[in-house]
Amino acid sequence: EAGVTQFPSHSVIEKGQTVTLRCDPISGHDNLYWYRRVMGKEIKFLLHFVKESKQDESGMPNNRFLAERTGGTYSTLKVQPAELEDSGVYFCASSMGLAGESEQFFGPGTRLTVL
Amino acid sequence: QKEVEQNSGPLSVPEGAIASLNCTYSDRVSQSFFWYRQYSGKSPELIMSIYSNGDKEDGRFTAQLNKASQYVSLLIRDSQPSDSATYLCAVNTGDDKIIFGKGTRLHILP
Repeated sequence: EAGVTQFPSHSVIEKGQTVTLRCDPISGHDNLYWYRRVMGKEIKFLLHFVKESKQDESGMPNNRFLAERTGGTYSTLKVQPAELEDSGVYFCASSMGLAGESEQFFGPGTRLTVL
Repeated sequence: QKEVEQNSGPLSVPEGAIASLNCTYSDRVSQSFFWYRQYSGKSPELIMSIYSNGDKEDGRFTAQLNKASQYVSLLIRDSQPSDSATYLCAVNTGDDKIIFGKGTRLHILP
C-alpha cells in the first residue's frame, strides 16, 4: 500500500511568488492534516480536512495560505504571495480516524525556501 | 498557550544501554500521547501511543504516562545504533489537534 506522498520535495522561490504544495493521502483516509516545521521550532498544526471539508483551519498563519481538498482525495496548499518567514518543511499526514484516536501517517514533507 | 516540552539533547547513550526520553505537557485535558521517531530528512513515524496512566510496552520500547504530573516518557532498552534519531513527543489537545514538542536528538554510541 502506498504511503502519503507529497510534491514537490523541495521548492525554492523568491519572495512574492506563488507556490502550490500537493499531498496525496493514503487511499481511504478521510482525515488529512497539514503541518509546518520552521527551523528550530516544533512541528505546528496548520489545518485539518475531513473528506473535502475543512474541519479546523485555526493554525493557518494568515490569508496568504489557501488549502483545498476537492473531491476529498488529494489536497493542495497554496502560498500567495510567499514571504521569507514561510520557509520551512511542510508535512502532510493522513489517518482513518481523528488525530487523538488513530495513527497519523506522515508524508516525506516539502522543504520550502523563500529567498 | 498549550505546550509540549522536551530536552533538545543531544542525548548520548552507549549501545546496549537504556535510553530515557522525557516530555512534559501543559494541557491537563490531554488524553492521548504519542512518541514519533524522525530520522534526519525523513518524515515522523509513530512508534508508541499511550492513553492511560502507567506503562505500555512494545518490544524494546516502553512508554510511561503520569497524568497527575503531566509527564510522559519513553524508554528504549538495549539501544541500537539504528535508534539514533530525533524523538518527538506529541499530545492530543482534546480538540482533535496534536501538539508536538521540538524533539530530543538521541545518539547511540557504538
